[in-house]
Order: sequence, then structure tokens, then C-alpha cells
Amino acid sequence: DGGITQSPKYLFRKEGQNVTLSCEQNLNHDAMYWYRQDPGQGLRLIYYSQIVNDFQKGDIAEGYSVSREKKESFPLTVTSAQKNPTAFYLCASSIGGRVTDTQYFGPGTRLTVL
Amino acid sequence: AQSVTQLDSQVPVFEEAPVELRCNYSSSVSVYLFWYVQYPNQGLQLLLKYLSGSTLVKGINGFEAEFNKSQTSFHLRKPSVHISDTAEYFCAVIMDNYGQNFVFGPGTRLSVLP
Repeated sequence: DGGITQSPKYLFRKEGQNVTLSCEQNLNHDAMYWYRQDPGQGLRLIYYSQIVNDFQKGDIAEGYSVSREKKESFPLTVTSAQKNPTAFYLCASSIGGRVTDTQYFGPGTRLTVL
Repeated sequence: AQSVTQLDSQVPVFEEAPVELRCNYSSSVSVYLFWYVQYPNQGLQLLLKYLSGSTLVKGINGFEAEFNKSQTSFHLRKPSVHISDTAEYFCAVIMDNYGQNFVFGPGTRLSVLP
């Protein structure tokens, strides 16, 4: 069964701690993306990667970091520099980075910082 | 700056009634338009997309949307809704040809009442 997995589904952390969210896909997609979703604001792009070992900042990259060492994995680290990290985080992938390539989304991770 | 507006944050409708969810965008260049659906605590699923060609686009689950360039709109319609259509619906626009830098609207929560 091909798809995108995100773990964990719910994550709680203390303020000031870094936390890493997992995103794995077995669709053999080249491009992967991280979005943040806040109530009433839709989704905002944090980072995206079109090939292994390369990634680009999105609209709200401050306080976040990513790596793309393997094609199937695109972990997101929420650092202590992110001022308001509590949100729903969505990972997506597409076969390539073209407009015609549909993005497929994972089930999301809800991060709560206490 | 590019933006996407979804005028209705919530739309309640009775089962088997028709529904229209509105989406307007601001852009001076060519755009590609998308509608996504999100069920509670899940990722997003693509309903339909407009890239070029016919301005009336048919998607999954009986939804369709019409691209109106002069009104910069991409409204989503369904002639008869079901309880299972209850979800949040997001309109999204891409205005770059390089990469997939979506701009999402804030979402419309559709509630189908029995």
C-alpha cells in the first residue's frame, strides 16, 4: 500500500525543546513539502524539496529546519526559535515539482507545546 | 501580493440540497487552481484542479468547479450533498511555473444537516 506516513499523530513538548516530526513516503516521489495549518488560516508552506540533498524555504521557514538525505524521508525539526509552534503540521509529496503534479498529503501531526 | 479569499467560513446546508463554495483570487498572471477537502484530523485530498482547457472542471465525489477569469473566481459546486460531504474545503492557487508554491485560502467548513 503506497502512501505518506507521518508520526506521531499527536505530539506534546515543553517550551524551549526542539522536536522532530517524521514524514515518510513510499510513492517514489521526488518532491516533498511541509505545511503548517492554523485555524482560519489555511495552509502555509514551511519548506519544500524537489530532489534529495536539496530543499528550499517556503513562506514561514523561520524557526524550522529540514533535511532530505533520502528520497523517501523529509523530517521537519521545530526549533526553540519558533515563537508559536503549536499547530497541525502536514507533509505532502508529488512525483515531481511541476504544476501538473498532484500533491498527496499525509494524515498530519498535531503538535502542542506546553 | 497574491491571495486567495474564501468568503464563507462556514456553510450549513441540508442533505440533498445543492451547495456552492466560493473562491476568489488576486493575480495579474496566469494561475492554476485547486480545491482540496480535509476530513477531521486528516490530511488533504485533491477534489479537482484547473490547469488549462475547459473552464468547467469535474472532480471526485460529484463536485465540479468553474474557472471564471474575468471575475477571478473558481467556485465549487455540488448539485446534491450527502452527510459524508461534511468537511473543510480549501481553495488553492499556484502562480509560479517553477515548483509548487501553493497559496491556500482560509477554508470553508461545510456542514451537511440531516
